[in-house]
Order: sequence, then C-alpha cells, then structure tokens
Amino acid sequence: AQSVTQLGSHVSVSEGALVLLRCNYSSSVPPYLFWYVQYPNQGLQLLLKYTTGATLVKGINGFEAEFKKSETSFHLTKPSAHMSDAAEYFCAINNAGNMLTFGGGTRLMVKP
Amino acid sequence: DTGVSQDPRHKITKRGQNVTFRCDPISEHNRLYWYRQTLGQGPEFLTYFQNEAQLEKSRLLSDRFSAERPKGSFSTLEIQRTEQGDSAMYLCASSPPGLAVTYEQYFGPGTRLTVT
Repeated sequence: AQSVTQLGSHVSVSEGALVLLRCNYSSSVPPYLFWYVQYPNQGLQLLLKYTTGATLVKGINGFEAEFKKSETSFHLTKPSAHMSDAAEYFCAINNAGNMLTFGGGTRLMVKP
Repeated sequence: DTGVSQDPRHKITKRGQNVTFRCDPISEHNRLYWYRQTLGQGPEFLTYFQNEAQLEKSRLLSDRFSAERPKGSFSTLEIQRTEQGDSAMYLCASSPPGLAVTYEQYFGPGTRLTVT
C-alpha cells in the first residue's frame, strides 16, 4: 500500500519569504513522487516530479523538491514567495501502479 | 488547446437523477483516469482505462457509477440515482503510451457536480 501525508493544511508566508511545504510518503517499493498545484475551480497542474536519478528536482515557477529516502520525504520549497503562488498544493505518489495517491493538500497563502 | 478537456464544467442536478460527464484526453494518450475530489481533500482514484479496456476500478466506484471509453478516445462517467454525497469535483487525466516510466498524468479542468 502507498500513502502520502502533507503536514499543515494551511501555510501562510509573506511575499518574498521562503516557502516550505512538507510531504512524507509510505511505500513498499521505490516511489515516483509528484507535486501538483491547483488554482480555484481548476484542474491540477504538474509542478515537478521525481522518478530516478538526481534527488533534487527543479520544477516550474521556481519550485524545487528534494527526495530523501531515509526520511521518506519529498518537501517542496521556493526561495521567495510571490502573490501568484497562492494556491492549493498536492503531493502524490505512484509506486509503479496505475493510480496516483494524493495527500490531503496544503493551501498556501501569501501575504503582501 | 491540446490539453485534457471535460464537459460540462458545472452540473447541478436533483437527487435521484442520472448524470453523465465527458472527458477528451490529450491526442494519442492511451491511458485515461477518473478521480473524485471533495471539498478540502486531495483527489481520489476512481478508475483507469488503457485504450478501451477498463483495467482498474476503485472500491469507491459503487454500482451506481459506470465509466466507458468505447473507442479508446473520449470517456464518459455516468452516475445513476445521484445522492447528495456524490457532490464533488470529478477530474479526468490522461498519460501517454509506452513504458510510462514517469507515470505523469495530465489533468483536465474538472466537472463540478452539485446534487440538491
């Protein structure tokens, strides 16, 4: 079985501050990991993904995430938050099956 | 626009009515998925097609739900005798053929269902 836990359903940062969204996973086999972003009343857009190889993954809009097997984590970071980053972020896992398993999501709020 | 499209975007129906949603995947994507997302939650897997074959179904997909992909292109999701608990966003996603080593899925904008 596979599962994803996102710590913090709501995160608030000031514009220009570091963004850190936490994701921990459980998987019996090496996982494929993803971060998606969802804006209100829209579908999900892929930010970045980890499959194999380099554990630090860079994505769109300045986001990056680091796969840490020993900590079973895949936290999402961005050095400097922008107002347009306010959205819901979902971490997801696929351990080579046919479905994505998502975490509960983290709503990011950016204060001016 | 060559992304995944879904129709309708919004649907309001009365309890007990049947509804049908359509999904058009990205051209040449042979894998198609349906997910359900309730308010404040992450999407939950419902079912998966490879070409026209429905290969996997979640236990969330009760007998009132049926999905088809008749020619391996677009897909429909039908809910019969809708209940208020069916109110959710229904998301469709597709992914390309081949080894699918990245298992990346591309999502449509979703259909928001409200059952009154």
